[in-house]
Amino acid sequence: NAGVTQTPKFQVLKTGQSMTLQCAQDMNHEYMSWYRQDPGMGLRLIHYSVGAGITDQGEVPNGYNVSRSTTEDFPLRLLSAAPSQTSVYFCASRHVMNTEAFFGQGTRLTVV
Amino acid sequence: EDQVTQSPEALRLQEGESSSLNCSYTVSGLRGLFWYRQDPGKGPEFLFTLYSAGEEKEKERLKATLTKKESFLHITAPKPEDSATYLCAVQAPEKLVFGKGTKLTVNP
Repeated sequence: NAGVTQTPKFQVLKTGQSMTLQCAQDMNHEYMSWYRQDPGMGLRLIHYSVGAGITDQGEVPNGYNVSRSTTEDFPLRLLSAAPSQTSVYFCASRHVMNTEAFFGQGTRLTVV
Repeated sequence: EDQVTQSPEALRLQEGESSSLNCSYTVSGLRGLFWYRQDPGKGPEFLFTLYSAGEEKEKERLKATLTKKESFLHITAPKPEDSATYLCAVQAPEKLVFGKGTKLTVNP
């Protein structure tokens, strides 16, 4: 059972480049979320989805897009990367609200 | 606004020295409080869920408790392998709101 899989694990981008961080889960979970984790800031919610076709903004959505065409996948797109987006990104999924979330191993992104 | 505050930010213990980590929260209608453990370079790993004041959960050397305003993670006779960052999160409508974590170091 793979759980939540994130790719890539590491990425270096130049300012202005775009890219997509992939997230897939094989637990048939309805809820999926993207967080970024920065030193001293904790985990901050970027975007989340309560089911296929439904997405909403979290605390820090600017500069990021998401879509949810299937239950399994929830990609995060950086439209035009900025140094302020240097961070570790985590994808999480859970079955229903009020239950524990399962996290991927993270993507460490550096924007130069 | 839903908020979670964890204290202390960092804690150093000697092996066998018991202590507690605090998580205080403000949320409009608590639907669940979660504790996670995070090792360096890894994603958070689920430990406990608490739903109502007075509830307690235990796992090995860890015990989590919940009141109406805060939760405690008690660590009894810790070992070096308990060294990690411990995260607390509360369930707000449709979202998990995390605290900044407590970095625990247990020296042999």
